Amino acid sequence: QVQLVQSGAEVKKPGASVKVSCKASGYTFTSFGISWVRRAPGQGLEWVGWISAYDGHTKYAQKYQGRVTMTTDTSTSTAYMELRSLRSDDTAVYYCARGSLTGTTNYWGQGTLVTVSS
Amino acid sequence: QSALTQPASVSGSPGQSITISCTGTSSDVGGYNFVSWYQHHPGKAPKLMISEVSDRPSGVSNRFSGSKSGNTASLTISGLQAEDEADYYCSSYTSSSLVIFGGGTKLTVL
Repeated sequence: QVQLVQSGAEVKKPGASVKVSCKASGYTFTSFGISWVRRAPGQGLEWVGWISAYDGHTKYAQKYQGRVTMTTDTSTSTAYMELRSLRSDDTAVYYCARGSLTGTTNYWGQGTLVTVSS
Repeated sequence: QSALTQPASVSGSPGQSITISCTGTSSDVGGYNFVSWYQHHPGKAPKLMISEVSDRPSGVSNRFSGSKSGNTASLTISGLQAEDEADYYCSSYTSSSLVIFGGGTKLTVL
């Protein structure tokens, strides 16, 4: 069965970076892309970006351009999202999800809580 | 790009039907048939309920249906059940080759 397993919760100080991993299993990793979505406390879902696991092509939401980098390691079927220059309002649960650039994401990871606090 | 517009909350009694709207522009909802709907119970992963405006993934109850007219997409839930109480989000592909979500709608089953 398709599974996406994310890395554990992180606590970071403002200005630091965080790298969240998402290990996929149960399907051919390079046949699908991975989207990253976050939900901050009291806020709604927010699309962060998408990466093709086939060729590494990325699309990032304008808000995160220059601060986020998404990568994949096809040898381990793992996707990564690194967010730099963290601010307190980056505190959120970050989800990875299998899907297409057009937005349909049918399998989700369990979420990773990233807390940014001094 | 601004988030798609959804009502902040809707409510209904068990057995009733409700509809949640999702309004965008011709550059997103109105321009593409790539509207999805997600159900999100806090603390759990979001669940895809509808893809490509009206397609229901395997395993999703046929009480959930989607449609679109112009720049507005809609999710209808018929025969409301207590377990349907959750936050619902629409998303759409955009002309910038990005994805945007709606602000979310809290569904309360009375």
